Amino acid sequence: GQQLNQSPQSMFIQEGEDVSMNCTSSSIFNTWLWYKQDPGEGPVLLIALYKAGELTSNGRLTAQFGITRKDSFLNISASIPSDVGIYFCAGQGSVNRDDKIIFGKGTRLHILP
Amino acid sequence: DTGVSQDPRHKITKRGQNVTFRCDPISEHNRLYWYRQTLGQGPEFLTYFQNEAQLEKSRLLSDRFSAERPKGSFSTLEIQRTEQGDSAMYLCASSPRRSATEAFFGQGTRLTVV
Repeated sequence: GQQLNQSPQSMFIQEGEDVSMNCTSSSIFNTWLWYKQDPGEGPVLLIALYKAGELTSNGRLTAQFGITRKDSFLNISASIPSDVGIYFCAGQGSVNRDDKIIFGKGTRLHILP
Repeated sequence: DTGVSQDPRHKITKRGQNVTFRCDPISEHNRLYWYRQTLGQGPEFLTYFQNEAQLEKSRLLSDRFSAERPKGSFSTLEIQRTEQGDSAMYLCASSPRRSATEAFFGQGTRLTVV
């Protein structure tokens, strides 16, 4: 079945540092989505990407849809304490016209005091 | 509209009991998804609906699980004869139309089977 591999699994950074995480897939997706989840809450959509090569920003967040349609990355610039949480990539819509959304296992972001 | 609403937020049940969760999607969203999330994992797809039609069910959804969306608005997920392995967060999400794929999640129902 389709699998999404996220890396790194966790990150420990200093406040103010830039962060980069990525996601690769064994198959092609038509849409890539990035979500953030805080403890005890549902995931919140950060960025949606629809076209191969697309680069999209949302404040300090920037994400790109890879040219091969099998990968995506998310960058966070100048991290702040509220960036702590789990970031999930998700892909939707494969060549099999499968519309379910598949999630990676997440990247846990920790900010050191 | 305040987003996707799930009820209850928490449920503790004894093994063997049946439980039912409800999801109210964002108004006019015709696609509705159910996911299960265990500690340290990403959400795992269970099933989804386009209006009232259930389009796909995961192999994770054993015959003890059933989901309905009778009028194409709210949905219910029932688990019969609960087992300890069913303990998880059950998440519901909705999206506005087939071509708009952003799915918005509710806060989830945390199930604990004791």
